[in-house]
Amino acid sequence: SQTIHQWPATLVQPVGSPLSLECTVEGTSNPNLYWYRQAAGRGLQLLFYSVGIGQISSEVPQNLSASRPQDRQFILSSKKLLLSDSGFYLCAWSVVGTGNTIYFGEGSWLTVV
Amino acid sequence: AQRVTQPEKLLSVFKGAPVELKCNYSYSGSPELFWYVQYSRQRLQLLLRHISRESIKGFTADLNKGETSFHLKKPFAQEEDSAMYYCALSPLSGGYQKVTFGTGTKLQVIP
Repeated sequence: SQTIHQWPATLVQPVGSPLSLECTVEGTSNPNLYWYRQAAGRGLQLLFYSVGIGQISSEVPQNLSASRPQDRQFILSSKKLLLSDSGFYLCAWSVVGTGNTIYFGEGSWLTVV
Repeated sequence: AQRVTQPEKLLSVFKGAPVELKCNYSYSGSPELFWYVQYSRQRLQLLLRHISRESIKGFTADLNKGETSFHLKKPFAQEEDSAMYYCALSPLSGGYQKVTFGTGTKLQVIP
């Protein structure tokens, strides 16, 4: 069966420091991969999605970037964190043929101080 | 453009009372609609899809194209139904299709 792993679960970083959140999917090939941010009252905001290795699409302009170095690996990064980057980040995947059902990781809490 | 609206941020009901979580959408083509649920300290997960026409944990949702709605209903609320619920929309076609989520409704079932 397919599983998704996301880490770290919690992270406290100072302003101006770099960020790296990592996500891997097991049990499937060529998944679509996503990074979402979940904020109270604002729902789920799609940040990035990827349909293949090296293919990244950004949904909103921001201080973050994403990379997909391997088929089932998705990384969310920042060179210099801002206070406004604090939030709950979710990695997710889907596969064509599953009717666009999205499967989420457990999320990462980022606090920028 | 596709848009999903969940007008209620918080819905409180007593145990045993009927539940209706509202979802309205805007999309010019044929949509696929979903409800996702997030229980406390658990990951966000799919609850049901309109094309499956199934009942999950007593919940049902009917796509009303005339009213562009996909409300989630349950006749008798249980305490374990307390959670965050998100409505989502995707174009009904093959390949990658963007999934748009609503802002979510927190359901609180009062014992």
